[in-house]
Amino acid sequence: RKEVEQDPGPFNVPEGATVAFNCTYSNSASQSFFWYRQDCRKEPKLLMSVYSSGNEDGRFTAQLNRASQYISLLIRDSKLSDSATYLCVVERGSGNTPLVFGKGTRLSVIA
Amino acid sequence: NAGVMQNPRHLVRRRGQEARLRCSPMKGHSHVYWYRQLPEEGLKFMVYLQKENIIDESGMPKERFSAEFPKEGPSILRIQQVVRGDSAAYFCASTTYAGAGYNEQFFGPGTRLTVL
Repeated sequence: RKEVEQDPGPFNVPEGATVAFNCTYSNSASQSFFWYRQDCRKEPKLLMSVYSSGNEDGRFTAQLNRASQYISLLIRDSKLSDSATYLCVVERGSGNTPLVFGKGTRLSVIA
Repeated sequence: NAGVMQNPRHLVRRRGQEARLRCSPMKGHSHVYWYRQLPEEGLKFMVYLQKENIIDESGMPKERFSAEFPKEGPSILRIQQVVRGDSAAYFCASTTYAGAGYNEQFFGPGTRLTVL
């Protein structure tokens, strides 16, 4: 089983749509969870951290279910500028340990 | 406040040559990670270094690859006798160390290595 698994997509959605991405991870010792965004041929950039209590940042909502080892990202009111690859990322252990990346889910928002 | 810097941004090598990739961490950061992204793949951890120490090299291929982070100067990822399969984007990330808990890793723009 892969350490972090995501649906690769692509997700092609119209502007204004709501889109949800899911991710599962295999290492129950992981303590920190994130969504990163990667634009074509660029470095990944942190979008948001993910907590069990859920967290929201504007149009973006992230959720963690530790029991199911499942992470989600919801994007509301999609914009053209949201088009990118979204990476589910898990810290391997706790405190300054390597990050484990999913392969990413590609999103295209269409006018 | 400059971010993480990597150079060169693009590097072309012929099979059998050596590739040297440099990473200068953010000011005040003493920890560096190297990741490799093969085409159409996710980033994969290679090595984690602190100044003058390799902390974790569990993701580094056993042969041809080495990394260092000297007391002065950038971190260097060195690939000897490159092969076509080494063609990838190599990203470094730096972080500070603040004890337990997660410390955000800040990524550089990457070096795109092409092996002909």
